Amino acid sequence: ILNVEQSPQSLHVQEGDSTNFTCSFPSSNFYALHWYRWETAKSPEALFVMTLNGDEKKKGRISATLNTKEGYSYLYIKGSQPEDSATYLCAPQNSGGYQKVTFGIGTKLQVIP
Amino acid sequence: NAGVTQTPKFQVLKTGQSMTLQCAQDMNHNSMYWYRQDPGMGLRLIYYSASEGTTDKGEVPNGYNVSRLNKREFSLRLESAAPSQTSVYFCASSAPASLSYEQYFGPGTRLTVT
Repeated sequence: ILNVEQSPQSLHVQEGDSTNFTCSFPSSNFYALHWYRWETAKSPEALFVMTLNGDEKKKGRISATLNTKEGYSYLYIKGSQPEDSATYLCAPQNSGGYQKVTFGIGTKLQVIP
Repeated sequence: NAGVTQTPKFQVLKTGQSMTLQCAQDMNHNSMYWYRQDPGMGLRLIYYSASEGTTDKGEVPNGYNVSRLNKREFSLRLESAAPSQTSVYFCASSAPASLSYEQYFGPGTRLTVT
């Protein structure tokens, strides 16, 4: 079981603002880092999977970076929209030999129109 | 292509009753998982099945059993439900299409044990 920390736990931003949040995880035995988006009353959906130090992934206005040496990842949302309101889960995967990830508690984002 | 389906969506049990949560996927995935979601906590792994015919304990397996019936189906059984098992249960599946295992989640089962 990995110690995963996400910050902040929640935040409110105005529509059009850009925002970012952090995921911290143990850097030892790192294999991959997953980001999931979880809308209220729905199921988590995969956003990104990153494996290499320095990886950057982008999907529309959402992007993520990865630092495996220091054990953190940032998720950025540019020009937030109300439909971005969701909980964003970070899930590091270690090289334990089986396909398990450990989910963080998440950052709950509320975009105010 | 329905993805991952779960039944039932809602269930209320009395303490000591038993029930089985059903999960099926139609994506030909090898691996399947059961998680529980509780307020203030991340998704916690109960059991997983890396492939048909194998199952392993996750972080919180006590009070649960699982069966990987075939490649499509992975069920979770509560033999004697307790109020501490009140939670939302999610089934997920993944396939090693690449080296990292993106998981696809079902809609969840909300279980209340009184």
